[in-house]
Amino acid sequence: AQSVTQLGSHVSVSEGALVLLRCNYSSSVPPYLFWYVQYPNQGLQLLLKYTTGATLVKGINGFEAEFKKSETSFHLTKPSAHMSDAAEYFCAVSKGGNKLTFGGGTRVLVKP
Amino acid sequence: EAGVAQSPRYKIIEKRQSVAFWCNPISGHATLYWYQQILGQGPKLLIQFQNNGVVDDSQLPKDRFSAERLKGVDSTLKIQPAKLEDSAVYLCASSLDSVGGHGYTFGSGTRLTVV
Repeated sequence: AQSVTQLGSHVSVSEGALVLLRCNYSSSVPPYLFWYVQYPNQGLQLLLKYTTGATLVKGINGFEAEFKKSETSFHLTKPSAHMSDAAEYFCAVSKGGNKLTFGGGTRVLVKP
Repeated sequence: EAGVAQSPRYKIIEKRQSVAFWCNPISGHATLYWYQQILGQGPKLLIQFQNNGVVDDSQLPKDRFSAERLKGVDSTLKIQPAKLEDSAVYLCASSLDSVGGHGYTFGSGTRLTVV
């Protein structure tokens, strides 16, 4: 069975600082990997995904993530946080069949 | 392109009552999912449909939850009778096919409060 671990349920960053959200997965084969963002009272919006090919994936809103097979990680970064980045972020994996298994989420607070 | 539509947005019911949620996926999307998101947790898959057939309902509490997708388009999720622990956001999502690698499109969800 697959599982996803997101380190830190809450992260606080200053505006303009680096955003780093950690995600580790367990899977017997390399999965497809996703990051989603959820704003209050809204559904999930896809930030980026890794399927095959280049391990550094660029997404929307300046976010990017790097797939590291040896570390079974898919950490999400953004060089400079903006107030609009305050939201909850979910890492997810899929291993065929398109069923997504989500991590517990990380809530990002951006301080002015 | 219209998104995934869900209704109602909010619902408050008493325990032991029944409730139903409706989802209209993106046109042409063969695969439809219902997820349950309890406050402070990541979404958990309840059921996956491919057209009008069930692909995975292993996490669906079948003693109280049921879902259908007649004609392979719209879907309804029902809870009868509801328990306090069913309070959650119920998210519907659809995707073009069931092959891994294609991101979903999620609806805005239905927030259920059971009192």
